Amino acid sequence: GQNIDQPTEMTATEGAIVQINCTYQTSGFNGLFWYQQHAGEAPTFLSYNVLDGLEEKGRFSSFLSRSKGYSYLLLKELQMKDSASYLCAVRSYSGGGADGLTFGKGTHLIIQP
Amino acid sequence: DSGVTQTPKHLITATGQRVTLRCSPRSGDLSVYWYQQSLDQGLQFLIQYYNGEERAKGNILERFSAQQFPDLHSELNLSSLELGDSALYFCASSVDGHPYGYTFGSGTRLTVV
Repeated sequence: GQNIDQPTEMTATEGAIVQINCTYQTSGFNGLFWYQQHAGEAPTFLSYNVLDGLEEKGRFSSFLSRSKGYSYLLLKELQMKDSASYLCAVRSYSGGGADGLTFGKGTHLIIQP
Repeated sequence: DSGVTQTPKHLITATGQRVTLRCSPRSGDLSVYWYQQSLDQGLQFLIQYYNGEERAKGNILERFSAQQFPDLHSELNLSSLELGDSALYFCASSVDGHPYGYTFGSGTRLTVV
């Protein structure tokens, strides 16, 4: 099976930087995704890592270490609109064409003025 | 508007009943995924269809079934509903079955009373 762990809730200050960690255990790893989800809305894609290292996209960066089963999402210059849940998701290739992502329960990020 | 259309947006029904949720994927996308999101479980992968064929199954109950039609829209049928089935049901689509291109619909909120 697969197991994905991320903190339930984090609080940060507007303008600051926050790092949201995600650890996972899976076989046939084939990519890690980060999504943002505002309450009651659909998740929206933020980033995708399949190789080790850092992927930067504007204020958001995501890091992956496959050997450690570890990823983080780094958010810089925090804005109030960044208050949302951040979902870590893993894709595992079973060889049977299973492409569905396994999601963690999400980290609820609260931004304070 | 993400391009993925889900109807209805809200559904209230009684225990024991049957409902059908509908999803129209983004134009050009061949793959449809269904997810269930409840407060305590996070996003759970239910099932994937690719160009009309079932491709992968996740944690889908036997009371639930789905299909994808020739025009690529998909329906998720939930029967013998229980209180615990109350959740947000999301549909996502991608062009080639790779979740890198996932686009989520706005979801159907199902309340079983």
